[in-house]
Amino acid sequence: SQQGEEDPQALSIQEGENATMNCSYKTSINNLQWYRQNSGRGLVHLILIRSNEREKHSGRLRVTLDTSKKSSSLLITASRAADTASYFCATDAGGTSYGKLTFGQGTILTVHP
Amino acid sequence: GAGVSQSPSNKVTEKGKDVELRCDPISGHTALYWYRQSLGQGLEFLIYFQGNSAPDKSGLPSDRFSAERTGGSVSTLTIQRTQQEDSAVYLCASSLVRSRGSNIQYFGAGTRLSVL
Repeated sequence: SQQGEEDPQALSIQEGENATMNCSYKTSINNLQWYRQNSGRGLVHLILIRSNEREKHSGRLRVTLDTSKKSSSLLITASRAADTASYFCATDAGGTSYGKLTFGQGTILTVHP
Repeated sequence: GAGVSQSPSNKVTEKGKDVELRCDPISGHTALYWYRQSLGQGLEFLIYFQGNSAPDKSGLPSDRFSAERTGGSVSTLTIQRTQQEDSAVYLCASSLVRSRGSNIQYFGAGTRLSVL
């Protein structure tokens, strides 16, 4: 079963608005990552947050991690039409399985010009 | 190469035929992963290679699926006696895994398999 579950499944906003996507997971993690996918093909890494970090920024992206609640959120500020894509969270459990990522079902983001 | 390369990009086959999907990872990346993504779904883990060995093949759906990696580089995913439910996009990723470090995966564009 999928470790990560994203919420919402789909999000539709206007250009300039902020988009927030949430991810919940079940087991302890070494790190959590967010990926973006355009047109159902390859994924592109966006940002990684380690289990001992609570917040991380990269450009217009802000990621938070709450290990006590086993949840993370991805905020995209001042969205653009080009941000339209599917966004996936992925967890790395570390330990003997380090390196293997477990992906959630994804959030489909549509940004209207 | 500059990125992860997968071939073919599209494959149409008839039910019952065997197919081979190829992945050429980023040079120097020791870890290689295969995933399957059905229409509108998340990524389903299939198999993980560290070098030429596969410490985790728990995601292979049946014994019709197999994969190998040679020379610590190119990997081939083989599906025997394809079924219609095998239709999906097969994604390959590679990473430079560091002990207790971060593992950022770099993905190829995928192979879209259609079984008629």
